[in-house]
Amino acid sequence: EDKVVQSPLSLVVHEGDTVTLNCSYEVTNFRSLLWYKQEKKAPTFLFMLTSSGIEKKSGRLSSILDKKELFSILNITATQTGDSAVYLCAGAGANNLFFGTGTRLTVIP
Amino acid sequence: NAGVTQTPKFRVLKTGQSMTLLCAQDMNHEYMYWYRQDPGMGLRLIHYSVGEGTTAKGEVPDGYNVSRLKKQNFLLGLESAAPSQTSVYFCASSDHLSGNTIYFGEGSWLTVV
Repeated sequence: EDKVVQSPLSLVVHEGDTVTLNCSYEVTNFRSLLWYKQEKKAPTFLFMLTSSGIEKKSGRLSSILDKKELFSILNITATQTGDSAVYLCAGAGANNLFFGTGTRLTVIP
Repeated sequence: NAGVTQTPKFRVLKTGQSMTLLCAQDMNHEYMYWYRQDPGMGLRLIHYSVGEGTTAKGEVPDGYNVSRLKKQNFLLGLESAAPSQTSVYFCASSDHLSGNTIYFGEGSWLTVV
């Protein structure tokens, strides 16, 4: 059965802290791993990872994929209150994106 | 700059009533999806479509029907609403079936009482 598991479920940090969000996956005919940020409404795209070991960066956010261990991490450095959101990980298979339940990040000023 | 538009955004239904959620995209995407999001469950695929006139079942299709008569529109129908269908519904579209980015609508909050 295809599944994506994220940890931790929730996280509370102070501004300036660095956080690491985890995502493990078991997806048939795996094609890619995607990260989304969801605030109050629709998820917004952050990264798509298809190859192991290649880090993707966007400002203070970065992510990497390990296809051998079926694992991905999302790092956020120097967190800001605007980073508070639910971060969703999804594994793309042949016909579907399988989403994890998300990690709720709260950044306290 | 519309992207993916869902209507209505909020709706309250009585058990047994029917309704249709409309999704429209203006990006000429081939693929469209309907997801539901429940607390602690993540996003789950209800139905999807790989092109005009085609539909397929996702993870949780029971109680829902869909139609894709036009490429830009994907309709989700509830024939006889049940309280278990209280959820937030997201439509999405993409230019690939998977492995690429998909674009989400703003969500439709549905409550069945």
